[in-house]
Amino acid sequence: DGGITQSPKYLFRKEGQNVTLSCEQNLNHDAMYWYRQDPGQGLRLIYYSQIVNDFQKGDIAEGYSVSREKKESFPLTVTSAQKNPTAFYLCASSAWEEGTRNEQYFGPGTRLTVT
Amino acid sequence: GQNIDQPTEMTATEGAIVQINCTYQTSGFNGLFWYQQHAGEAPTFLSYNVLDGLEEKGRFSSFLSRSKGYSYLLLKELQMKDSASYLCAVLQDSNYQLIWGAGTKLIIKP
Repeated sequence: DGGITQSPKYLFRKEGQNVTLSCEQNLNHDAMYWYRQDPGQGLRLIYYSQIVNDFQKGDIAEGYSVSREKKESFPLTVTSAQKNPTAFYLCASSAWEEGTRNEQYFGPGTRLTVT
Repeated sequence: GQNIDQPTEMTATEGAIVQINCTYQTSGFNGLFWYQQHAGEAPTFLSYNVLDGLEEKGRFSSFLSRSKGYSYLLLKELQMKDSASYLCAVLQDSNYQLIWGAGTKLIIKP
């Protein structure tokens, strides 16, 4: 079955610790994305990548870092510099083709709690 | 600025019809998506409109008016499993990224 996996589903960390969230896809999609979802707000884009070894900052990249060493994988690190890291994190992927709708497919999400 | 507005919450009765509206003001436009998201789960794709008019897909239909910056999602023959949040998102033509509305939580009552 093709899809996107994120692990773990729930993650608890102490303030001041870096934490890495995993995202893997086997849909052969070129583009991958990381979003953050907070109650009452729309999805906010953290980082996105259209091709291996390249990625772009989204609207709220401060305090986060990513890598794209393989087409299938796009891990997100939440650093201690992120002031309010507790949130629901969603990874998505899509094709990247001109003239098509390139809808995004989402993983199940990771709920991160930092205390 | 860029803005997408949806009602925060709506309530409807099982078997009935409900229309969820979305208005947008964005610097560019390359299509509008509707996604469904059950609580604590991933959003799933429902529809995409890039031309004006109505797109029908089973119990769900989506309408777009580009000149008015307006879309709606119409759900017919509501079922309890339709209780979810419905997210409207506009695809920008500058960088092909999505701008998301905050979502509309739809509550279905028996």
